Amino acid sequence: EVQLVESGGGLVKPGGSLRLSCAASGFTFSNAWMSWVRQAPGKGLEWVGRIKSKTDGGTTDYAAPVKGRFTISRDDSKNTLYLQMNSLKTEDTAVYYCTTGFIVGATRMDVWGKGTTVTVSS
Amino acid sequence: SYELTQLPSVSVSPGQTARITCSGDVLGENYADWYQQKPGQAPELVIYEDSERYPGIPERFSGSTSGNTTTLTISRVLTEDEADYYCLSGDEDNPKVFGGGTKLTVL
Repeated sequence: EVQLVESGGGLVKPGGSLRLSCAASGFTFSNAWMSWVRQAPGKGLEWVGRIKSKTDGGTTDYAAPVKGRFTISRDDSKNTLYLQMNSLKTEDTAVYYCTTGFIVGATRMDVWGKGTTVTVSS
Repeated sequence: SYELTQLPSVSVSPGQTARITCSGDVLGENYADWYQQKPGQAPELVIYEDSERYPGIPERFSGSTSGNTTTLTISRVLTEDEADYYCLSGDEDNPKVFGGGTKLTVL
């Protein structure tokens, strides 16, 4: 069964840092393009960023609001995706989803985790 | 960065056809995907590459694109189709973007 399980969410003060993890199983993680998507309370979906597979260059792209503060990385030996979040702001409060492409191609997002909640508040 | 524009809400009666649109310059050069999200759940892909139906999605769901506007059409709407729908677009070498979402209400 293809599965993504996020962890690492919690309460953090503005200016603080947090690292989210996403454990993957049921597919060849090293071939996957992995993305993070977030959803603030009562708001819409927001694409956060993506990391390509190493065979496709392993490069990352980020949405403008998080560029320079967030870093996406991957450990293919552990089948795990990470999101390092620094200089957190109250507007980063959201459910963070890990997602990947499986059935319809590596570049799409058709498998999603259940999400982990990040709250940035003093 | 670019934007995708969706109407905040659409309402239809059961059995009618719902059309949810998404507009943006990026759609003239890139495919769009559509996601359905029900309360408390993760999003689910329903349409990809403008018009391809995701496996397991009913034939009532279809997608099309003309110029800078992509449309998700739901025929013979059921109460279970009530959800938020989001378009997504962008290419493989640049950030992607979601539309603001459309809440489909089935009256």
